[in-house]
Amino acid sequence: EAGVTQFPSHSVIEKGQTVTLRCDPISGHDNLYWYRRVMGKEIKFLLHFVKESKQDESGMPNNRFLAERTGGTYSTLKVQPAELEDSGVYFCASSPSGNEQFFGPGTRLTVL
Amino acid sequence: AQSVTQPDIHITVSEGASLELRCNYSYGATPYLFWYVQSPGQGLQLLLKYFSGDTLVQGIKGFEAEFKRSQSSFNLRKPSVHWSDAAEYFCAATTSGTYKYIFGTGTRLKVLA
Repeated sequence: EAGVTQFPSHSVIEKGQTVTLRCDPISGHDNLYWYRRVMGKEIKFLLHFVKESKQDESGMPNNRFLAERTGGTYSTLKVQPAELEDSGVYFCASSPSGNEQFFGPGTRLTVL
Repeated sequence: AQSVTQPDIHITVSEGASLELRCNYSYGATPYLFWYVQSPGQGLQLLLKYFSGDTLVQGIKGFEAEFKRSQSSFNLRKPSVHWSDAAEYFCAATTSGTYKYIFGTGTRLKVLA
């Protein structure tokens, strides 16, 4: 069974540009989560989808971040416009029930 | 506020030595607890988890963890460390119904040959 995949693995962009990160969860997992780790800090929750609905987006830092999960399958996280402080590693996780989450390899975002 | 604390940012041990990584949590009720490992270039891999029951939990790669309610701790242990264990280790917690994980800041393990 394929695990959680994320694309791209690395992204380097200039401040003010737009970046879209993609996450493909494990097939059949209704729950999808986004987390972010800023350098030197802990991994922090961003938001939680149940199928295509946003269950909890309390961790989204500001309105420059937009997450979608059309059709309840893959999800995208768009940052527009990107700022320097958005640099970090963005993790996606999926879960059939919520208590145990399966993580992807992460996307390392660098904003110059 | 709910929190997870990993007091040690870096730990260095010799290959073959024993290992203990500390994790403390602050929650209103007993949370579900996890240890994850991230090797260079890899994602987060689950080592073990505690939901309830036996407080000594066995995981993969020879790791174990002990839940101590009185100390609000969930320390990770391994009796003999291998060079391949060099990685970053994360303790995480969640509660039923909320599902979002709260992570500690991670402990980076270095193994000396």
